[in-house]
Amino acid sequence: QSVLTQPPSASGTPGQTVTISCSGSSSNIGTNTVNWYQQLPGTAPRLLIQNNGQRPSGFPDRFSGSKSGTSASLAISGLQSEDEADYYCAAWDDSLSSPVFGGGTKLTVL
Amino acid sequence: QVQLVQSGAEVKKPGSSLKVSCRAFGGSFSTSAYNWVRQAPGHGLEWMGSLLPFFGTPKYAQNFQGRVTITADENTNTAYMELSSLTSDDTAVYFCAKGASTSSPFDSWGQGTLVTVSS
Repeated sequence: QSVLTQPPSASGTPGQTVTISCSGSSSNIGTNTVNWYQQLPGTAPRLLIQNNGQRPSGFPDRFSGSKSGTSASLAISGLQSEDEADYYCAAWDDSLSSPVFGGGTKLTVL
Repeated sequence: QVQLVQSGAEVKKPGSSLKVSCRAFGGSFSTSAYNWVRQAPGHGLEWMGSLLPFFGTPKYAQNFQGRVTITADENTNTAYMELSSLTSDDTAVYFCAKGASTSSPFDSWGQGTLVTVSS
């Protein structure tokens, strides 16, 4: 049972916009920034979005993140087949004094 | 960009211990936090603990307290994670991941080490 809650799956067709949600609480998302990781099949995760909405170099601006209250979301516009991956949200949790992850969302490009 | 290279896959017996290494190339080893994250087959990511070598005091997740030990060798820029009293539930891929601090985003990841616990 993950501390942060994500839908287990999401899907879209090429060119569409897909949004993945991440729900937490006042001890994590409510007071700390959210990071998103992309994990392509059979590979290690990579940092995709940091500090709610900042993209590290290497990822296109089709990927964007936002946060409101105790929830966050990842939006992928102009969906491409290579976006098919697992996506995880994460945040620091003040009560646990540790980083916590969502359960991950498997994105399928139809 | 820091590159993290982990040790190879291992097969362990129940009740034994494992030790995985993570060598950092580039960046400042001592002032970065080295986290360990595991992923059981078909499951999500689980944080195990971290160590910032400059300060020397590791921090462990409650689920692993008493069973995990994270250390670092500043001479070889290598972080280590040791897990004891293994059971089949510890079968997973173990990743090291670097951040500016324990609460910072994990901006570099190792390739992962598959550990299989089987009799």
